Amino acid sequence: AQKITQTQPGMFVQEKEAVTLDCTYDTSDPSYGLFWYKQPSSGEMIFLIYQGSYDQQNATEGRYSLNFQKARKSANLVISASQLGDSAMYFCAMREDRSGGSYIPTFGRGTSLIVHP
Amino acid sequence: DAGVIQSPRHEVTEMGQEVTLRCKPISGHNSLFWYRQTMMRGLELLIYFNNNVPIDDSGMPEDRFSAKMPNASFSTLKIQPSEPRDSAVYFCASSPVGGASYNEQFFGPGTRLTVL
Repeated sequence: AQKITQTQPGMFVQEKEAVTLDCTYDTSDPSYGLFWYKQPSSGEMIFLIYQGSYDQQNATEGRYSLNFQKARKSANLVISASQLGDSAMYFCAMREDRSGGSYIPTFGRGTSLIVHP
Repeated sequence: DAGVIQSPRHEVTEMGQEVTLRCKPISGHNSLFWYRQTMMRGLELLIYFNNNVPIDDSGMPEDRFSAKMPNASFSTLKIQPSEPRDSAVYFCASSPVGGASYNEQFFGPGTRLTVL
């Protein structure tokens, strides 16, 4: 079973508009972390934002915010005021305790975002 | 901080040859991860070390793959013998003390491996 599901293989957005990238996850562990990474065409993986399973508020980092809906097991990334440089692959990831203190990460298949001028 | 360092950045080899990929994690990080990224399979975790000890190697494809972490500042991923289907980008990542669920991973630039 997929631990992390990103249902949008590709997304398009107009520059300066907001865009939401979907992510749903599956875990029975009460303690877990959710992450978003950006991978531009140059290939490096860049950490964007983190949300803990016990965090009461949605995480925000500059233009990035994470819409965390725990009951729905959803952790969507919202990018406000898109910029051309936001064009990249975006990966949702989860770290959960699989073996008592060992937090194994799992990544989704990614969403390709293209920002149009 | 130099970040996670990987070498080589690109490797082209012939089928049957031994390939060794190297990684230097960020100083002070005690968790290290090796990933493989392909178009077909996405980003796969191969092996995970905590305090230089392999914790989970269930992602290692087969016996041709082996990984070591002889000390806190160095790890290798070896493929022997290599096959064309091993062609991929291999990432190394490290995570701060404890490797807990709230610690993000810092990725290296990756090694692009091509096996002819």
